[in-house]
Amino acid sequence: EVQLVESGGGLVQPGGSLRLSCVASEFTVSRYSMSWVRQAPGKGLEWVSVIYVSGSTYYADSVKGRFIISRDNSKNTLYLQMNSLRAEDTAVYYCARSVPASYFFDFWGQGTLVTVSS
Amino acid sequence: QSALTQPASVSASPGQSITLSCTGTSSDVGGYNYVSWYQQHPGKAPKLIIYDVNNRPSGVSNRFSGSKSGSTASLTISVLQAEDEADYYCSSYTNLKIPGVFGAGTKVTVL
Repeated sequence: EVQLVESGGGLVQPGGSLRLSCVASEFTVSRYSMSWVRQAPGKGLEWVSVIYVSGSTYYADSVKGRFIISRDNSKNTLYLQMNSLRAEDTAVYYCARSVPASYFFDFWGQGTLVTVSS
Repeated sequence: QSALTQPASVSASPGQSITLSCTGTSSDVGGYNYVSWYQQHPGKAPKLIIYDVNNRPSGVSNRFSGSKSGSTASLTISVLQAEDEADYYCSSYTNLKIPGVFGAGTKVTVL
């Protein structure tokens, strides 16, 4: 059964850093497009970043220059390095899978909560 | 990276049908047949229910159907059931190579 399990969330002060991980099971991360999508408390979904099969990466304007998406093929794991965190980055962060050459998210993790507060 | 426009809420009685709208521009919904819809129950992860405008993943009820006209996509839920009460989000590919710009979501209430 395909599974995505996120970890690494927690409480961090403004300006701090955090690295999220997303371990995949029953499929190979490097053969799919992988995204991070976040949801602020009581708000809607916001796409954050994607890494394509080719390795190309893209970011939402709101996180560009602060967040870095990457993957470790040997660990079948997706990462999101979050730097210079702001209060508005507080959200549940989901990792989500997309089939190559498609633009929908067919599997999602359960999410990990990031709280940015002093 | 503007969000797509969705009505905030829709309500109906069990057995009725409802249609949720999702309006974008020629740079997203109107320019590509890559509209998807997600159902999210409180405290749960989103679940894909429609992809590429009108395709249902395996296991999703045929009471859910999708369509598109111009820059507006629609999700129809027929024979509404209590379990359909949830938030629904549309998403579209954009010309900025972003896989998914989302709408703000529509809360569906089953009366």
